[in-house]
Amino acid sequence: GQNIDQPTEMTATEGAIVQINCTYQTSGFNGLFWYQQHAGEAPTFLSYNVLDGLEEKGRFSSFLSRSKGYSYLLLKELQMKDSASYLCAVRDVKNTDKLIFGTGTRLQVFP
Amino acid sequence: GAGVSQTPSNKVTEKGKYVELRCDPISGHTALYWYRQSLGQGPEFLIYFQGTGAADDSGLPNDRFFAVRPEGSVSTLKIQRTERGDSAVYLCASSVDSNTGELFFGEGSRLTVL
Repeated sequence: GQNIDQPTEMTATEGAIVQINCTYQTSGFNGLFWYQQHAGEAPTFLSYNVLDGLEEKGRFSSFLSRSKGYSYLLLKELQMKDSASYLCAVRDVKNTDKLIFGTGTRLQVFP
Repeated sequence: GAGVSQTPSNKVTEKGKYVELRCDPISGHTALYWYRQSLGQGPEFLIYFQGTGAADDSGLPNDRFFAVRPEGSVSTLKIQRTERGDSAVYLCASSVDSNTGELFFGEGSRLTVL
């Protein structure tokens, strides 16, 4: 199976930088996704990593190390609207390629 | 349509009743997923379809839950003899295919079993 671990809650200040970590265990890694979910809304796609390294997209970056089973999502220049849950999800080719989600990290941004 | 559409958005039912939740995926997306999400938790995998067939139904909690996708487009999640523990938001998502690309989620169907 797949175990995905991420912190339950984090807080940060507007304008700051925050890093949300995710560790996972799979037998056939085939990609890691980060989604953002505002309260009461559907998850929306943020980033995708399948090779090691950093993927940058505006204020958001995502890093992957396959050998360590580790990823992080980096949010820069935090804004109040970034308060949301951030979901780490992993696809496993040896587990029918379905996308399995972690429990999510609820980020609260304070002024 | 432009996005994944789910109906109803809210459903309140009594324990023991039968419920159907519908999902209309993005046109051309061959893979369709059902997830269930409880408050404060991540989406929990239920089942996914590649075309008309269920590629993986290992997440269905028991035989009261069933899903179909007869023409490879719209899908219906069916729950028999509902229980209070079935209360959750049921999310549907679609993707271009099952092993690449991100999932696009609908707004969900909030099911409340009294």
